[in-house]
Amino acid sequence: KQEVTQIPAALSVPEGENLVLNCSFTDSAIYNLQWFRQDPGKGLTSLLLIQSSQREQTSGRLNASLDKSSGRSTLYIAASQPGDSATYLCAVMGYSTLTFGKGTMLLVSP
Amino acid sequence: DGGITQSPKYLFRKEGQNVTLSCEQNLNHDAMYWYRQDPGQGLRLIYYSQIVNDFQKGDIAEGYSVSREKKESFPLTVTSAQKNPTAFYLCASIAGNTIYFGEGSWLTVV
Repeated sequence: KQEVTQIPAALSVPEGENLVLNCSFTDSAIYNLQWFRQDPGKGLTSLLLIQSSQREQTSGRLNASLDKSSGRSTLYIAASQPGDSATYLCAVMGYSTLTFGKGTMLLVSP
Repeated sequence: DGGITQSPKYLFRKEGQNVTLSCEQNLNHDAMYWYRQDPGQGLRLIYYSQIVNDFQKGDIAEGYSVSREKKESFPLTVTSAQKNPTAFYLCASIAGNTIYFGEGSWLTVV
């Protein structure tokens, strides 16, 4: 059974800092890995999707990497802003289901 | 616009009652999913359906039931057998590598 772990569980940084969120998974037989953002009481918004054959994806200030053999992914956020405050969830797609980590709650203070 | 609609947004249930959460999509997706999210936790899979008239249990199916009589609809019933149903429920559909989420339904037992 796939297990996904995210570290840290919570992170508080001042505005402008670069930061890294970590995700690890136990079964490397995945189709892809996705990073989502969730605002309080809301659904999920997809940020980045990395196919199993890819090493990284970039979108604006976000960069996600994938090392499938070691079961690790990182989400790098450059020049953080208060609007980045949210919970970030990592999810891996297996044969038929998507398995989520518990998320990292990020607070960026002005 | 295409998307997933969940209703109701907020629902209160008395102990011993069954309640049904609606999930409708107009994306023409075959696969639909129900997840449960508890505060500070990731998403846990309740049930999923990859095609009409077929569905499978996820990791926490006990106390829940679903049906998939139409491609666009995947309702979730929270039965009285579910002892701790208070949570945030998210419906999703997947096509290829893309997952779409509804806005979620909050269920509270009173």
